[in-house]
Amino acid sequence: EVQLVESGGGLVQPGGSLRLSCAASGFNFNTQWMHWVRQAPGKGPDWVANIKEDGSSKNYVDSVKGRFTISRDNAKNSLYLQMNSLRVEDTAVYYCVWGRGYRWGQGTLVIVSS
Amino acid sequence: DVVMTQSPLSLPVTLGQPASFSCRSSQSLVQSDGKTYLNWFQQRPGQSPRRLIYDVSNRESGVPDRFRGGGSGTDFTLKISRVEAEDVGVYYCLQGTHWPYTFGPGTKVDI
Repeated sequence: EVQLVESGGGLVQPGGSLRLSCAASGFNFNTQWMHWVRQAPGKGPDWVANIKEDGSSKNYVDSVKGRFTISRDNAKNSLYLQMNSLRVEDTAVYYCVWGRGYRWGQGTLVIVSS
Repeated sequence: DVVMTQSPLSLPVTLGQPASFSCRSSQSLVQSDGKTYLNWFQQRPGQSPRRLIYDVSNRESGVPDRFRGGGSGTDFTLKISRVEAEDVGVYYCLQGTHWPYTFGPGTKVDI
């Protein structure tokens, strides 16, 4: 069974940092593009970033470029999102996603507030 | 960025009756590989989105055959042949052809 389990969310002040993690199981993690998608409260989802199977290619939405870094550790079947210089508008549930929405984790909530 | 629009934004439905959703993209979603990466998602209250349809018209395993996706180029539809109570939620279309991938605003379905 495919499982994607996010962790690392929480309350952080504007300008602060958080590192999200996603533990993947049940599929060949090291052969798949992986993604982070976020959903602000009461809003639709937004694609944030993705990373190629071997980590050699990464893409970011403009609003997080230079602040967020996606990475992966194929030996640990894990996906990460380092979030720096957080803004109030980054408040959202962050989902780890396999494929173009094929499978989603349960999400981890990030709240940026003073 | 590709802008996705959906209509209607809200859809009251009657159990057992059909329902139809429209999704339009601001540019063609046909990729250089010939595929069209248009997906449909259902999000029930308090749950993660669930992919129902991928590449315009392919149903995910386990998705009831009352759900049917269609369309081409920039215009797409999702149809439910007979609405059931479990279909309540928000339906989003997603284009996965052009980066950044973008969702439509969603259609909220309630009974």
